[in-house]
Amino acid sequence: SQQGEEDPQALSIQEGENATMNCSYKTSINNLQWYRQNSGRGLVHLILIRSNEREKHSGRLRVTLDTSKKSSSLLITASRAADTASYFCATERPGANSKLTFGKGITLSVRP
Amino acid sequence: GAVVSQHPSWVICKSGTSVKIECRSLDFQATTMFWYRQFPKQSLMLMATSNEGSKATYEQGVEKDKFLINHASLTLSTLTVTSAHPEDSSFYICSAGDPDTQYFGPGTRLTVL
Repeated sequence: SQQGEEDPQALSIQEGENATMNCSYKTSINNLQWYRQNSGRGLVHLILIRSNEREKHSGRLRVTLDTSKKSSSLLITASRAADTASYFCATERPGANSKLTFGKGITLSVRP
Repeated sequence: GAVVSQHPSWVICKSGTSVKIECRSLDFQATTMFWYRQFPKQSLMLMATSNEGSKATYEQGVEKDKFLINHASLTLSTLTVTSAHPEDSSFYICSAGDPDTQYFGPGTRLTVL
């Protein structure tokens, strides 16, 4: 079953704008991770946030985690056309030993 | 970062045949690898956990006799789709890594005619 549910399912923005993607989950977690997938390719790990963290930054990426609401958000600032991809959140549950449960994904289109 | 490769990148086969997909960790050892399946415009669904030197652990609803997994070395896991049918057509992705970061292979597109 799907653990993560991202919204929106699709997002189209202009280059230079910020993109915000949300993910909700249902069970307790060890950590939540965001991945990016270009069409027909493998996944690239973007960022991990642990259950005891509330916010992390990596370059143009900002991730927040609210364990009380069981939700996370991924913010991409100053988007570029090259950011066009599908983005997935994935959760690792306690005792899962690196096993991840993925959300349905968000398709981001950045218009040049 | 660490690199995970898959071979082949795509394969077309006839219904009823078997197809083997390889997943290799190129610059690190992996006692555990994961196999996922992804249908078009959908998410990744974990199929099984591949354990070096022992039997794979399959997720609920995944037929172990149909999707044979062998993890004979610390750098190689194979997934064999036996007696493939058109409904097995999908994108198969493997991953390996450490608890903080999973590195994904580029995927294998399987088309069963």
